[in-house]
Amino acid sequence: DSGVTQTPKHLITATGQRVTLRCSPRSGDLSVYWYQQSLDQGLQFLIHYYNGEERAKGNILERFSAQQFPDLHSELNLSSLELGDSALYFCASSVGTTPQETQYFGPGTRLLVL
Amino acid sequence: GQNIDQPTEMTATEGAIVQINCTYQTSGFNGLFWYQQHAGEAPTFLSYNVLDGLEEKGRFSSFLSRSKGYSYLLLKELQMKDSASYLCAVRALDSSYKLIFGSGTRLLVRP
Repeated sequence: DSGVTQTPKHLITATGQRVTLRCSPRSGDLSVYWYQQSLDQGLQFLIHYYNGEERAKGNILERFSAQQFPDLHSELNLSSLELGDSALYFCASSVGTTPQETQYFGPGTRLLVL
Repeated sequence: GQNIDQPTEMTATEGAIVQINCTYQTSGFNGLFWYQQHAGEAPTFLSYNVLDGLEEKGRFSSFLSRSKGYSYLLLKELQMKDSASYLCAVRALDSSYKLIFGSGTRLLVRP
């Protein structure tokens, strides 16, 4: 158990819908990263938050947005869902932003868009 | 940009040693990580290398050569539970500190 929690574990929804994925980092960690893992693409970086502020964006679609709240939990919002958005969504946390820090991953949310 | 290559699949026998290679081409380098991932589960941290050489941690060791853009993960005394995907990841040099992952190597350990 990494100490990172994610809810829900599974989510089944329809195309065009909107969902919210939630992540709570390890106690004391200020950085939260979101990654998407699909069968054909491996783990892809989406976005990074540090202490409530967005630090970097990867190849995140405009239909996706995220935020980190004052209590440091983070939410990833996915809207106008398409079949291709079906994937495992992981969040990871680390203490801060130094290069040698390990990112610890949560158990993931498996999203299925029908 | 960054490009990371790993073999797609490997098979080994219980009790044996296996080496999983990773090569990377990068415009900057801020460390290399190895993660283990069982199917449908979270990646779990195995090792971190930022300087050249070998890092040993129990049955697992990781090696890095920055001049060659090359790393390997060595697993000794293989156990059935080591059947998993092994992900090589390079830390970005930019301010994102994101990890850039290879596609992973699926290791099957046979009795």
